[in-house]
Amino acid sequence: EVQLVESGGGLVQPGGSLRLSCAASGFTFNNHAMTWVRQAPGKGLEWVSLISGSGGTTYHADSVQGRFTISRDNSKNTLYLQMDRLGAEDTAVYYCAKDGGSVSVKYYYFGMDVWGRGTTVTVSS
Amino acid sequence: DIQMTQSPSSLSASVGDRVTIRCRASQSISSFLNWYQQRPGKAPRVVIYAASKLQTGVPSRFSASGSGTDFTLTIANVQLEDSAVYYCQQSDNSPWTFGQGTKVEV
Repeated sequence: EVQLVESGGGLVQPGGSLRLSCAASGFTFNNHAMTWVRQAPGKGLEWVSLISGSGGTTYHADSVQGRFTISRDNSKNTLYLQMDRLGAEDTAVYYCAKDGGSVSVKYYYFGMDVWGRGTTVTVSS
Repeated sequence: DIQMTQSPSSLSASVGDRVTIRCRASQSISSFLNWYQQRPGKAPRVVIYAASKLQTGVPSRFSASGSGTDFTLTIANVQLEDSAVYYCQQSDNSPWTFGQGTKVEV
């Protein structure tokens, strides 16, 4: 069964840091780009970061550029999101998602076809 | 950045109705457009990719069309389980932006 399981969320003070993890199983992890998407309480989806299958290429939304870093360990089938200098605006459910295409296909051509259940990050004093 | 605008923001339908949701891109994105369904308390799931291709396992009452800047998602014979928020997402280039969502109540 193809599965993504996020962990690492919690309550953190403004200015603090947190590292999210996403454990993948059931598919060839390094064949697929991976993504973090977040959803603030009562709000819509916001694309946060993407990393290529090899890990050599990353993209971040302007709202997190310079504060968040996406990475992956293909030997552990795990995706990460290092979040620094957190602010109240980062409070959200964070989902990891798998790109439906393989490494030779345009990112998101097939959409994000597998999602985790999400992990909640709350930034508050 | 490419802005994605959905309309309407919400709608109410009865079982068996035909529902149409629109998504407009601020610039041409060819057919690089995906649709996601998010039921309450659940993670999103892709229902349509590449503007008009039905994701495996999604009921055939879902269909979509469009290219360039204007896209539509249609649910024919809508069912109770189709109550959800639907999001479009452009897959043309970074940042891969979502629309604000359309809430469908059945």
